[in-house]
Amino acid sequence: AQSVTQPDIHITVSEGASLELRCNYSYGATPYLFWYVQSPGQGLQLLLKYFSGDTLVQGIKGFEAEFKRSQSSFNLRKPSVHWSDAAEYFCAVGAQNTNAGKSTFGDGTTLTVKP
Amino acid sequence: KAGVTQTPRYLIKTRGQQVTLSCSPISGHRSVSWYQQTPGQGLQFLFEYFSETQRNKGNFPGRFSGRQFSNSRSEMNVSTLELGDSALYLCASSQGSGKANYGYTFGSGTRLTVV
Repeated sequence: AQSVTQPDIHITVSEGASLELRCNYSYGATPYLFWYVQSPGQGLQLLLKYFSGDTLVQGIKGFEAEFKRSQSSFNLRKPSVHWSDAAEYFCAVGAQNTNAGKSTFGDGTTLTVKP
Repeated sequence: KAGVTQTPRYLIKTRGQQVTLSCSPISGHRSVSWYQQTPGQGLQFLFEYFSETQRNKGNFPGRFSGRQFSNSRSEMNVSTLELGDSALYLCASSQGSGKANYGYTFGSGTRLTVV
């Protein structure tokens, strides 16, 4: 069965500082991996995705993530955080074929940005 | 183009009642997935519909059901509501052939409160 672990429940960074959110996954084949962001009371927005190819993927809002198969990780990074990045971030792994419509999400990491 | 539309945004129901939530996916998206989000359990997969067929179902009791119409709009129904059903219900649509999830587009959710 597929699973996702986000080890950090809450992270606080200063505005302008760099950010890395950790994600570890378990999946039997080559995974489809995603990062989503959720603002309070809203749905989730897709930041970026990895299917195959280049292991460093670029997303919206200046985010990037690196897929490391040997470590079963897909960490999200941003070089300089803005106050508007404060939100909850979810890593997810997607299945394929007849299970394509079912993704498994991590428990989320809440990001607080200090001025 | 229009995003994923969920109605209503907020709902208050009494224990024992039933409720129907609606989701209109992005035009052209044939897959619609439903998730329940609570502080304690996180994002839990309910079910997924593709071309009017339920393809996957999560570990929820039979009180939770859904359907998809020929125009891809989807509804989910919860009968005999319990206090524990209070949650944010999120609908997500995705494009593709149905063999891979290229990433969800989420609606803003329906906040259901059971009293």
